[in-house]
Amino acid sequence: KAGVTQTPRYLIKTRGQQVTLSCSPISGHRSVSWYQQTPGQGLQFLFEYFSETQRNKGNFPGRFSGRQFSNSRSEMNVSTLELGDSALYLCASSPGASGTVGDTQYFGPGTRLTVL
Amino acid sequence: AQRVTQPEKLLSVFKGAPVELKCNYSYSGSPELFWYVQYSRQRLQLLLRHISRESIKGFTADLNKGETSFHLKKPFAQEEDSAMYYCALTSPSGGSYIPTFGRGTSLIVHP
Repeated sequence: KAGVTQTPRYLIKTRGQQVTLSCSPISGHRSVSWYQQTPGQGLQFLFEYFSETQRNKGNFPGRFSGRQFSNSRSEMNVSTLELGDSALYLCASSPGASGTVGDTQYFGPGTRLTVL
Repeated sequence: AQRVTQPEKLLSVFKGAPVELKCNYSYSGSPELFWYVQYSRQRLQLLLRHISRESIKGFTADLNKGETSFHLKKPFAQEEDSAMYYCALTSPSGGSYIPTFGRGTSLIVHP
């Protein structure tokens, strides 16, 4: 099976702009999670989508949003970009059956966002 | 709230030496713990999880509820073990389980 893919791989934006990142999960996986990775804060959970519904949300401001489509592909959007949003954004997919403890997450290569 | 602490940012050992990457957690419920690894220029991937009680690439990790720890161990380190290691804990939320990651430990194995 093809792995998790993320586009674009690199992105440069300026403060105040908005950005949309895309994630295609492994075929058959219904859960997609997004993470922000920075040197200062490490890996932080943004949100999780399952069957087109946001199932969980991390502690990030409302500028960070996402959605999932019927084919399980997901997008995340960051509006009004700030310098501190510069990070590696990782997407991970899992089979995601509800209530499955210990579901293995399969990560994509990430999108490197730089905000100038 | 749950928390995962990896006290060492960097661990440097020589090939053949034993390795122990520390992970301590704070969680009031029954934890599910994982180790993820990221090799240079590769994506983050699962190494092992405590519910499977498995050994992967010679690594093992035992959950110690008394000490709230889930240290990763390998008796003889290899150069190819050099990577970034993340400990993670999942907790139930919204009908699924979301992970909390530690800050990671960079393991360098010298020849």
